[in-house]
This record gives sequence, structure tokens and C-alpha cells, in this order.
Amino acid sequence: AQKVTQAQTEISVVEKEDVTLDCVYETRDTTYYLFWYKQPPSGELVFLIRRNSFDEQNEISGRYSWNFQKSTSSFNFTITASQVVDSAVYFCALSEGSGYALNFGKGTSLLVTP
Amino acid sequence: NAGVTQTPKFRVLKTGQSMTLLCAQDMNHEYMYWYRQDPGMGLRLIHYSVGEGTTAKGEVPDGYNVSRLKKQNFLLGLESAAPSQTSVYFCASTLYGVSGELFFGEGSRLTVL
Repeated sequence: AQKVTQAQTEISVVEKEDVTLDCVYETRDTTYYLFWYKQPPSGELVFLIRRNSFDEQNEISGRYSWNFQKSTSSFNFTITASQVVDSAVYFCALSEGSGYALNFGKGTSLLVTP
Repeated sequence: NAGVTQTPKFRVLKTGQSMTLLCAQDMNHEYMYWYRQDPGMGLRLIHYSVGEGTTAKGEVPDGYNVSRLKKQNFLLGLESAAPSQTSVYFCASTLYGVSGELFFGEGSRLTVL
């Protein structure tokens, strides 16, 4: 069963628009970790953020913010005032305390046009 | 500091040929992973290792073998390549296992004809 669901396959926005990428996860563990990675067109995977299951505090880093809600099993990612350089595939991932590796969602491809 | 290095970066094989992908990390990480990335499928775990001399199967292990003879190296082998193994392969390592950030290599693009 898919542990991480990223329902949005592709999103296209115009520069300066705000955009939210959705991530829904599934786990029975009480201890788990959530991640977001960015894969720009050059292909490398860039770590953005990690959250553990005991810390529901939202986080803001510049134009990026993350909303972690255990009640809805979601860990959504918002880019404010998007820029062309934000164009990339974004992956949400889950690792469980009882597990051994990250489980990745299928990714959301974001295209920001001028 | 090189981080995680994968070789080769690109390779074209014919069906039935064998090859080995090498992953080397210089961060003294215990945990190492091989993922494959296919369009629309995200990253899927092939094999992983929790320390020198250990390996274990991931989600999609069939057709692959791995070895971790040295802590810094994690080898992924294809004994008899098939077109279904055409993919981009990523190696990753981490110090803290499931709680830690994964450090990825740049990827290896493999085409099997």
C-alpha cells in the first residue's frame, strides 16, 4: 500500500503566485519522520526539510513553509511568491520508526512560468 | 568533500549483459541505499545496508544484487540486464538511519536495449 500520496501530479503556476503541494501519509507508528526533497531539472535530489511526529509546529524558511497536521495525516508544502527557479519535481517522503528506509511519494512536478 | 559519488553516470547495455554500479561516500555513514526512479513512480528502494557487511532487500530487489564489503562503498549489480531495468539509479547514505536526512548521489542513467 502506498504510504505517501501526492495527489497532484503536475501543477503549473505563473510567477509570483502562491502554490501548495499536498502530501498525505499513512502509518501506524507513533514515531515517524516526514521529509520534502526537491529535484530540479538538473536531476539531483535536494533535501528541504525533516519533521518528526512529535513536532507539529509549522515551519517557515524564506518563501517556503510547511504545514504538518497529524489529525489529517498531511504534511503540505507552500511556496509563496513562486519563482521560475522553483520549477522542479518535489517529493514527500515518510520513514517509520519501525522501518528501515524512506518511502517516497510519486512526486509533484511544478512548473513556474514567467 | 565529495559526499556521495556514483559511477558510471551513464551506461547503455544490451539485454543479458551484466554491470556494476559503484556508490562511494566519504561521510562515514552507516546506512546506504539504492533507489531507482522511473517516470511517474517516484523513488523505489531496491536494496539497503545498515552497516559494513550487511545488505537487505527493499521494495523492488528482483534482478539486482548488492554488496557492502567496505563501509564507504555500496555496489549494485545487474547480472543479466533486462529492458525493464532501464531507469535512473540513485545511491544515498545517512548517518542516523530512518530519522536522518538522506544524502544522494547525482544519479546513474542506465539504458538497456
